Amino acid sequence: ETGVTQSPTHLIKTRGQQVTLRCSSQSGHNTVSWYQQALGQGPQFIFQYYREEENGRGNFPPRFSGLQFPNYSSELNVNALELDDSALYLCASSSSSGSALQETQYFGPGTRLLVL
Amino acid sequence: GDSVTQMEGPVTLSEEAFLTINCTYTATGYPSLFWYVQYPGEGLQLLLKATKADDKGSNKGFEATYRKETTSFHLEKGSVQVSDSAVYFCALSDPGDTGRRALTFGSGTRLQVQP
Repeated sequence: ETGVTQSPTHLIKTRGQQVTLRCSSQSGHNTVSWYQQALGQGPQFIFQYYREEENGRGNFPPRFSGLQFPNYSSELNVNALELDDSALYLCASSSSSGSALQETQYFGPGTRLLVL
Repeated sequence: GDSVTQMEGPVTLSEEAFLTINCTYTATGYPSLFWYVQYPGEGLQLLLKATKADDKGSNKGFEATYRKETTSFHLEKGSVQVSDSAVYFCALSDPGDTGRRALTFGSGTRLQVQP
């Protein structure tokens, strides 16, 4: 069984640029969530996709957007990068079924983004 | 809204010492509770979980019991090893009315185990 993978592992951008981060879900999982983890803090929920539709969003501005593809892989796009966007971006996949309480999210290794 | 509060770190212990990391939560519904561990330079790994009151999650010698009456999910291990040094995150998943299954995390507790 293949785990969650993310690319790239590291990325350096300058303020105002745009970035796309990629995530490949664990086999059999139909839900993907993205989180931002600033240095020394816990992850913060950005948004979640279920069967290619956004299924909830955290307190992040619209310049954070996403896509989920038919094979359940996903992208996180961030426009107009700001210095505070420097963080570890984590993707997590899960398998949504009738019982929400049974779901567990499995995380990838993350993409570390540095905005200069 | 939902929230998770963890004891601040770092927690520094000698090898074979007993570990407790406190976690309390606030939720509107009936959440599932999780402990994740993050080793340096890596993503999050699920350590254990509990989905209803009085459930005990356990893995690799770590245990945590879902206490609804005290809204707590404290992490314990009887004898820590140097290899347990990492950051530990308590988290909850509370679908509520929306069905959204996002995780709400605590701020993390760094554990340092000395030989």
